Amino acid sequence: QVQLVQSGAEVKKPGASVKVSCKASGYTFTSYDINWVRQATGQGLEWMGWMNPNSGNTGYAQKFQGRVTITRNTSISTAYMELSSLRSEDTAVYYCVCTVTTAFDIWGQGTMVTVSS
Amino acid sequence: QSALTQPASVSGSPGQSITISCTGTSSDVGGYNYVSWYQQHPGKAPKLMIYDVSKRPSGVSNRFSGSKSGNTASLTISGLQAEDEADYYCCSYAGSSTWVFGGGTKLTVL
Repeated sequence: QVQLVQSGAEVKKPGASVKVSCKASGYTFTSYDINWVRQATGQGLEWMGWMNPNSGNTGYAQKFQGRVTITRNTSISTAYMELSSLRSEDTAVYYCVCTVTTAFDIWGQGTMVTVSS
Repeated sequence: QSALTQPASVSGSPGQSITISCTGTSSDVGGYNYVSWYQQHPGKAPKLMIYDVSKRPSGVSNRFSGSKSGNTASLTISGLQAEDEADYYCCSYAGSSTWVFGGGTKLTVL
């Protein structure tokens, strides 16, 4: 079955960067866009950006422009989301999501990123 | 982009129907038929319940339905069940390959 498996929890200091991975299985990785969505504790969902794994084209929410980079390694069916200049407000669960329809169909299990000095 | 507006909470008794609204603008909800709804139980990843305003993915109960009028989309759950208690989020395409979520609605089954 279609599945997205993300890397484990991270603890980072303010100002550092974090890179979260998302390994796809059960389908052809280059067939569907990958999006990243985050959720701070007790808060709502926030869309961060997307990538077409086939072309490598990306797009980012204005809020994260210049701080977020989404990449991929097609040989291992894995997408990555790197967020730089971390601050305490970036503490959240980060999800990768596969877009099969025109919505966020398949979600990874989430990766907790904690930013603390 | 501003988040779409949802009521913070709604409630209903088992067997009843409830509706959750999601208000945006002509640049998102009103401009495209790409509204989706997600159910999220505590500690779990969200689950797609409705896409393209009113389509149900395979496996989603037909008790869940979606609609849209102007800049407001709605999710209706009929025949409320205890397991429907969760947070619900709407999402809309906002143009230029961007998406925006609603703030979320906590559904309590009394």
